[in-house]
Formats: sequence, C-alpha cells, structure tokens
Amino acid sequence: ETGVTQSPTHLIKTRGQQVTLRCSSQSGHNTVSWYQQALGQGPQFIFQYYREEENGRGNFPPRFSGLQFPNYSSELNVNALELDDSALYLCASSKATRVRTGELFFGEGSRLTVL
Amino acid sequence: AQTVTQSQPEMSVQEAETVTLSCTYDTSENNYYLFWYKQPPSRQMILVIRQEAYKQQNATENRFSVNFQKAAKSFSLKISDSQLGDTAMYFCAQKGAQKLVFGQGTRLTINP
Repeated sequence: ETGVTQSPTHLIKTRGQQVTLRCSSQSGHNTVSWYQQALGQGPQFIFQYYREEENGRGNFPPRFSGLQFPNYSSELNVNALELDDSALYLCASSKATRVRTGELFFGEGSRLTVL
Repeated sequence: AQTVTQSQPEMSVQEAETVTLSCTYDTSENNYYLFWYKQPPSRQMILVIRQEAYKQQNATENRFSVNFQKAAKSFSLKISDSQLGDTAMYFCAQKGAQKLVFGQGTRLTINP
C-alpha cells in the first residue's frame, strides 16, 4: 500500500509567477485536502476535494485553486505568487467515510519559496 | 469560529521522563474530534492520538495518553517513558463539521 506522495519536494519561484503542486492519494482514499504551513506555524486548511469537486474551502483567495482527477490524485495551483505564499504545502488523503473523524494521511509536503 | 491554542512553544526533557503538552480549544460545535499530530524533521504529519468529544474516557495509545476536559476545553498530551524518537513538533488539532484546525505547535526535544 503506497502512502501519500507529493511533488516536487522543493521549488523556488519569483513573485507573480504561477505554481502547480501535485499529490497522489493513498490507495483507496477518495478525498484529498490541502494545507499551507508557514514557517513556525501550524498548518492552515486551504480546501478539500471529493469526487473531483471542491467541497470545502478555508480563508484563501481565489488565486489558490485545485483539481482532483478520476484516480483521486490532486493538484494545487497558485497564481500571481506573493512573498507570503512561501510555505510548506501539505496534502492529506482519506476515505470519505473517515473525513469526519479526521483520519487523514499526510504527505511530506512541497516546500515553496517565493523570491 | 474554531481556534486551537498551544501555549508552550518549546519543551525539553530527558529520555525516559514523562512530559505533558498543553492545548486549549474553542468551538461552538457539539460533535467534534480532537487530535495530536507529530511532525518530525521529515515533515510528514503523523497522527499520534485521537479523542472523540462525546466520549468521556480519555484516549490512550501505548506511551501516549490524553487528559480531555470538555468543560474547560482543554486537551493535553502526556508522553510517558519518553524516547529520543519522540523529538518532533507536536500539533494539537480540532475537527468539526469540515476542516481540521491546528494549533501553532510545541517543539519537543528529548535529550539523551
């Protein structure tokens, strides 16, 4: 059974650019959520996807968008990057029946640096 | 609104000692779950222990146990017989209807 994998592990972008982060869910998991973890902070919920549709969103602007594919993998896209977008981006997957109970499985994250 | 507060930014104990990490939370929901997650330097969040709010009995997982005080909205984690591998960031989190809300974390160091 494979765990949650994220790519790339590290990347550097400049202000104003766009970035796409990718996540492969753990086998058998159909729900994926994304979190932003700034340095020295706890993760903050960005959004959640189930059956290829966004079904929950945190306090993030529309330039943060996502996709979920039929194989339950997911992408996080951020447009018009700002310096404050520098953070670790965590993907977490779960079975839909376990979302309520918070049984999330996290990947190791993608470290984004915006210069 | 959901909030989670961890008042201890850093803690340090000797190997084999017992350590308690504090957490308070606020929520208007009646049915929710509380968690402690561990984040080692590898960055991957690992679930340590989970508590269902409607259960009065405190959860226990081997060396890890919680003290859940629902009326006080307090949820502390006790690590017994601490080991070097317990060194990590520890996050308290609360989940209501949808999102998981994390505290700011406590950096725990176990010294040999």
